[in-house]
Amino acid sequence: EVQLVQSGAAVKKPGESLRISCKASGYVFTHYWISWVRQKPGKGLEWMGRIDPDDSYKNYSPSLQGVTISVEKSISTSYLQWSSLEASDTAIYYCARHSSNIWYSAFQIWGQGTVVTVSS
Amino acid sequence: DIQMTQSPSSLSASVGDRVTITCRASQSVGDWLAWYQQKPGKAPKLLIYKASSLESGVPSRFSGSGSGTEFTLTISSLQPDDFATYYCQQYDRYRTFGQGTKVEI
Repeated sequence: EVQLVQSGAAVKKPGESLRISCKASGYVFTHYWISWVRQKPGKGLEWMGRIDPDDSYKNYSPSLQGVTISVEKSISTSYLQWSSLEASDTAIYYCARHSSNIWYSAFQIWGQGTVVTVSS
Repeated sequence: DIQMTQSPSSLSASVGDRVTITCRASQSVGDWLAWYQQKPGKAPKLLIYKASSLESGVPSRFSGSGSGTEFTLTISSLQPDDFATYYCQQYDRYRTFGQGTKVEI
């Protein structure tokens, strides 16, 4: 079964760092891009960026700053990382597998989401 | 940035109704448009890609149409399982989602 399993909920203080993960299984990890999507409480979906697991080439949303997307091919895992969290980073974060490894590909498989709460 | 605007933001409908949701892009995105369904507490699910292609396993009552800047998602006969929020997404230049349309009973 093709699936993306994300790490558990995180509660952090402003200024702290965080890395959340998205582990892929059931397919060849390097054959499909991964994107990350943010959903703030009660709000809509925002695309954050994507990575090609084969060569780690990335694009980020022009309107987003302060996050880093990476992969570890050996364990079929993608990461989303912050060096200094803010309260406005409180959201659910989803990873999503593209339908292929080309630009014109929709988000075919989604992780279950990771809830990140940032509060002093 | 390409802006995506959905209408309506919410709608009330009954089982068996035909429902249409519109998505407009601030500039042409060709047919690089997808539709997703999201239920409360769940991840989104891909319904339609490339404006009108039905994702495998999605019921045929869902259909998509349009190109350029105007797109529609139609549910031909609303079922109890279809009450959810629907998002369009362009994937021509980066990716942008619409603000969502909540379909309620």
